[in-house]
This record gives sequence, structure tokens and C-alpha cells, in this order.
Amino acid sequence: GQNIDQPTEMTATEGAIVQINCTYQTSGFNGLFWYQQHAGEAPTFLSYNVLDGLEEKGRFSSFLSRSKGYSYLLLKELQMKDSASYLCAVNRGDDYKLSFGAGTTVTVRA
Amino acid sequence: ETGVTQTPRHLVMGMTNKKSLKCEQHLGHNAMYWYKQSAKKPLELMFVYNFKEQTENNSVPSRFSPECPNSSHLFLHLHTLQPEDSALYLCASSRHLKRATNQPQHFGDGTRLSIL
Repeated sequence: GQNIDQPTEMTATEGAIVQINCTYQTSGFNGLFWYQQHAGEAPTFLSYNVLDGLEEKGRFSSFLSRSKGYSYLLLKELQMKDSASYLCAVNRGDDYKLSFGAGTTVTVRA
Repeated sequence: ETGVTQTPRHLVMGMTNKKSLKCEQHLGHNAMYWYKQSAKKPLELMFVYNFKEQTENNSVPSRFSPECPNSSHLFLHLHTLQPEDSALYLCASSRHLKRATNQPQHFGDGTRLSIL
């Protein structure tokens, strides 16, 4: 089977940093996506990693270690609008499908 | 605005009803997907279409019937659903099914389905 694990919930204060971890065990690997989903809205694309290392995009960064089956999404200078669910998804490559984690709900408090 | 539009946004139906969910994408993509999203569970892939051809039926019960008349439109026909089918149904599209594996899927806002 395909296993994508991420914490269920995280809480942080406005202006702080939060790191959302994702570990995966899949039949194949051809990249990892992070999506943001606000309540009642569509998941929206945040980042894609296929090589080891850190990708930075403004306040958001994503890291990948393929040998460890591990990724994290780093949210800096948290804002209230960052309160959302964050989904980790692995492209399995062998059959092109995405396997999703259950999502991490991040709550930003004032 | 994600470029993927789903209607209706909310649907309440009885177990004996027949209804359809509609998805339209304005992105020029060739692949379209139906997912089921239940609370606290990972997105479950239901169906995949590539250039209007169904390439995946992920062991979905026959009470769900997809239809893809062209690359821009996708339907999910519902018939005699069960209470456990209550969930958010998300449509997504991507540029190409296999070649552009680094291209993200673009999602609609979903249809919140409640079965009475």
C-alpha cells in the first residue's frame, strides 16, 4: 500500500514559524507536492520537489530527502490567512497517480 | 479562481435520487480527475480521464458513473447512493497525464454532497 503520514493538527502564533512534516512510503516516486486548502475551497498548489534539498518561495519553503522518504513545508512569518489544511501528495511515477496524506490543519492565533 | 468550476457547490439528495455533478476546466488541460474527500482522510482518487478516455476506475461502486464528453467537461452521475457517500467531491485537471509529472493538478472548489 501507499503510506503518506503527516500530523493532524498544528497551532502557532501570528508571526511565528511552523514546520509541517510529511513521511512517505510509496511504490514509486516522481516528485512531491504540497497543497493548501482553506475550508470550503479548492486545494491550491504551493510547491513541488523532485530533487533533494530546499525550495524557497517567499514565506513558504519545502524540503525533500528522498533517501529518508521525508519532506517538510516551512511557513515563516505566519499570518492569519495561513490558517488552512496543508496536503502532502506524492507522484508515484510508475502509474502517474498522486497519493495524498490526510492533511495537516494549521491554526494561526493572534 | 482556479480555472476549474464545479456545480453545484452543495447537494442534498435521498438515497433513491439520481443527480449529476458537473466540472468544467478553462485551462486547456487534457487530463481530468474525480476525487472523494472525507473528513480527516486522504483524498481518494475515483476516476481519471486522459484525452476523454477513461484510464482509471479505482474500484469505485457502480452507483457512481463518470462521463467525459470532451477534454473540458467532466460529469459524475449519482444513483442510489448510500449515507457513507456523503463527502466533498473534488474535480481536478492537469496538462497531461503522464508526460508532465511535475505539473500540478488544479482543483475545483468541490461539491459538498449529503445523502439523507
